[in-house]
Amino acid sequence: GAGVSQSPSNKVTEKGKDVELRCDPISGHTALYWYRQSLGQGLEFLIYFQGNSAPDKSGLPSDRFSAERTGGSVSTLTIQRTQQEDSAVYLCASSFRLAGEVGGVYEQYFGPGTRLTVT
Amino acid sequence: AQTVTQSQPEMSVQEAETVTLSCTYDTSESDYYLFWYKQPPSRQMILVIRQEAYKQQNATENRFSVNFQKAAKSFSLKISDSQLGDAAMYFCAYRTYTGTASKLTFGTGTRLQVTL
Repeated sequence: GAGVSQSPSNKVTEKGKDVELRCDPISGHTALYWYRQSLGQGLEFLIYFQGNSAPDKSGLPSDRFSAERTGGSVSTLTIQRTQQEDSAVYLCASSFRLAGEVGGVYEQYFGPGTRLTVT
Repeated sequence: AQTVTQSQPEMSVQEAETVTLSCTYDTSESDYYLFWYKQPPSRQMILVIRQEAYKQQNATENRFSVNFQKAAKSFSLKISDSQLGDAAMYFCAYRTYTGTASKLTFGTGTRLQVTL
């Protein structure tokens, strides 16, 4: 079956512009995650959606960052008034997890990421 | 908060040889998961191997194995019979066992080069 897909693959934008990054998770996966990978750094958690629950936004670095997940499937990460420090690879992952369930591996499957360059 | 440390920014190994990548972590939890992910130039994160903290036996997946030392909070990855296709960034990651938030906490990665 199809894996996690992300679009665009690469995005170059000017400082101060808004950008939207899209993630299509694996069909049937209930959980969706966004991570940011800056040059020379590991992945940094941004936000987590689980079913219809309120998202965990604890990793968003500023109020310029927001994300939504429509219909429990596709997610969009929006960065307003982009800054040069926002330049990074943005990775999306999905996993299957029952609501309220704890424990378990819940393996995360990653997309190929979007490389964002702010000039 | 949990932290994951990879102290080797780069490693090199000859084809067919064995290499070990180091990872240490800090946590106050007793139950958790540890993972090694591989990231080739395509950027796709690929799960290599995982370890449940409550299991004493070290995980093994073909040429990949781990040395999990819970008391020392160490989780190293051994790659045997290295192949050119093993060249990539390798990330160690931690995930809590309990709780509803299942985010992964990553180290900064080790770039592995495989030479002929």
